Amino acid sequence: NAGVMQNPRHLVRRRGQEARLRCSPMKGHSHVYWYRQLPEEGLKFMVYLQKENIIDESGMPKERFSAEFPKEGPSILRIQQVVRGDSAAYFCASSPGGENIQYFGAGTRLSVL
Amino acid sequence: SQQGEEDPQALSIQEGENATMNCSYKTSINNLQWYRQNSGRGLVHLILIRSNEREKHSGRLRVTLDTSKKSSSLLITASRAADTASYFCATATQGGSEKLVFGKGTKLTVNP
Repeated sequence: NAGVMQNPRHLVRRRGQEARLRCSPMKGHSHVYWYRQLPEEGLKFMVYLQKENIIDESGMPKERFSAEFPKEGPSILRIQQVVRGDSAAYFCASSPGGENIQYFGAGTRLSVL
Repeated sequence: SQQGEEDPQALSIQEGENATMNCSYKTSINNLQWYRQNSGRGLVHLILIRSNEREKHSGRLRVTLDTSKKSSSLLITASRAADTASYFCATATQGGSEKLVFGKGTKLTVNP
């Protein structure tokens, strides 16, 4: 059973470009969470999704950021018109729900030049 | 607002010694979890303690929870160099969504 898969592992974008980060949850998991981590900091919650539904997006910036978890395929975190301050590690986690142990992917490190 | 706050921020010990990390939080919780992160990697779940539990063990790990003080501690016994990592506590808020709120972590270095 493969773990949570994120790709790409590293992503370099110039200011103003779009960044698309992908996350495939563990098999059988229907809950997906996205977190952002700045250097030497803990993880900050961004958004929680279940299949085709956004459950909690209270940590998501109101502009330029969006997330989806379609019926088929991976969850996507999309950042439009990236700025330098978007540079961070973005982690995806999945769970089957319930007890809420979340299993994390290896992360995507976004660098904005 | 930041929920979990770990202390110390950094801890350096010798192999074989015990390491204790503490975490404080602010709101009522369903459970508290500890995660480990090696440099540049994702997080690995270590242990979950529910709000009605006071102590839990898993191998060399011992976690305590004091809901009256809103605090938890993680003890790693007989540490090894491979335990070198950052350790984070995370809380699931009572009545909230399933999001986890993380502290800034304790950076543990175990010297061989």
